[in-house]
Amino acid sequence: SQQGEEDPQALSIQEGENATMNCSYKTSINNLQWYRQNSGRGLVHLILIRSNEREKHSGRLRVTLDTSKKSSSLLITASRAADTASYFCVYNTNAGKSTFGDGTTLTVKP
Amino acid sequence: GAVVSQHPSRVICKSGTSVKIECRSLDFQATTMFWYRQFPKKSLMLMATSNEGSKATYEQGVEKDKFLINHASLTLSTLTVTSAHPEDSSFYICSATARDRGPGEQYFGPGTRLTVT
Repeated sequence: SQQGEEDPQALSIQEGENATMNCSYKTSINNLQWYRQNSGRGLVHLILIRSNEREKHSGRLRVTLDTSKKSSSLLITASRAADTASYFCVYNTNAGKSTFGDGTTLTVKP
Repeated sequence: GAVVSQHPSRVICKSGTSVKIECRSLDFQATTMFWYRQFPKKSLMLMATSNEGSKATYEQGVEKDKFLINHASLTLSTLTVTSAHPEDSSFYICSATARDRGPGEQYFGPGTRLTVT
């Protein structure tokens, strides 16, 4: 399959709770990015983490990367209804090839 | 940051006609541009990779005569859907890598929604 794997496929939480999404891949990577997509809209870049980094923060977002396990996680803290969207990881190899994960659909209930 | 634009953002065309979608890097020179397709509630699937001045490389299962890609300059790539059919209706997104950025750092356009009636 061309796609990376993400889990869960769908996540429904209450406002204020934390949301964690995971992404796994199979090759060596140069970096990994997380994107958000509102229904029917374009992609919004959230965070890029390089292969020599283990953790990055941006506001309420925390991304981890474990290259030994070939996995990454995206944590959204204190979620809001406006965080409702689909979230995709994209991992990029040194050769410049990018592969999308299957995506996680997050629903945050007010 | 690096900005990528797409035009048009939305297009409706009749079956049998051809549609051209443009992808531009606005403030950087794009070494490589990528074209993706997204079906409803699905992830993005890479269609093809294009380098300026050379032929595009298509992914398995993508018809190159159906989806014509031209990468005429370091800031512009076009995707032409020829003889469009309703099953070509989809969300098409391009991305670009910058010459002066790290490998694999892609910048995505906002997407073009194609509806074929």
